[in-house]
Amino acid sequence: NAGVTQTPKFQVLKTGQSMTLQCAQDMNHNSMYWYRQDPGMGLRLIYYSASEGTTDKGEVPNGYNVSRLNKREFSLRLESAAPSQTSVYFCASRVGSGYEQYFGPGTRLTVT
Amino acid sequence: DQQVKQNSPSLSVQEGRISILNCDYTNSMFDYFLWYKKYPAEGPTFLISISSIKDKNEDGRFTVFLNKSAKHLSLHIVPSQPGDSAVYFCAARGNTGNQFYFGTGTSLTVIP
Repeated sequence: NAGVTQTPKFQVLKTGQSMTLQCAQDMNHNSMYWYRQDPGMGLRLIYYSASEGTTDKGEVPNGYNVSRLNKREFSLRLESAAPSQTSVYFCASRVGSGYEQYFGPGTRLTVT
Repeated sequence: DQQVKQNSPSLSVQEGRISILNCDYTNSMFDYFLWYKKYPAEGPTFLISISSIKDKNEDGRFTVFLNKSAKHLSLHIVPSQPGDSAVYFCAARGNTGNQFYFGTGTSLTVIP
């Protein structure tokens, strides 16, 4: 049981480049989330998917898109990366009725 | 505007003593509150939670207290151990049941 996995672990992009962060969970959870963690800002929700086939904006969605590919996978895409998107990105999942979230190990992204 | 706040960025405590981490929130519609622990280069892990209809929940060395009238919760760790050294985030679940709001975190150092 791997839990929540994220790829890549590290990434450096130039301004304007695009990339997709991948997330998968093997716990059969309904809900999945993308957060970013910045110094002094805590964890902020970018997008979430309450169930397969649905996605919703969180607190800081601008500059990002998401795809809930199936129940297991939830990807985050940066179409045109900006230095302000330099951050650590965490994916999380949750059983539909529960409140506890399970987090992946994170992706450290630097945009130069 | 930050709906969940942790006003102490850091806290140092001697091993064996009590650690008290504090969290304030602004939205009276939050129905669940959670504490997560995070080690460097890892994702947050769930520690303990409390429903808004309770005022205390205990799990081993960890106790969470909720004061709804003051919109304040606290995490008590007794006795503190060096392995407790980590960043602690409090979080609250919004009334839709799908969105979670995190504080900025408190870095706890337990001194042997």
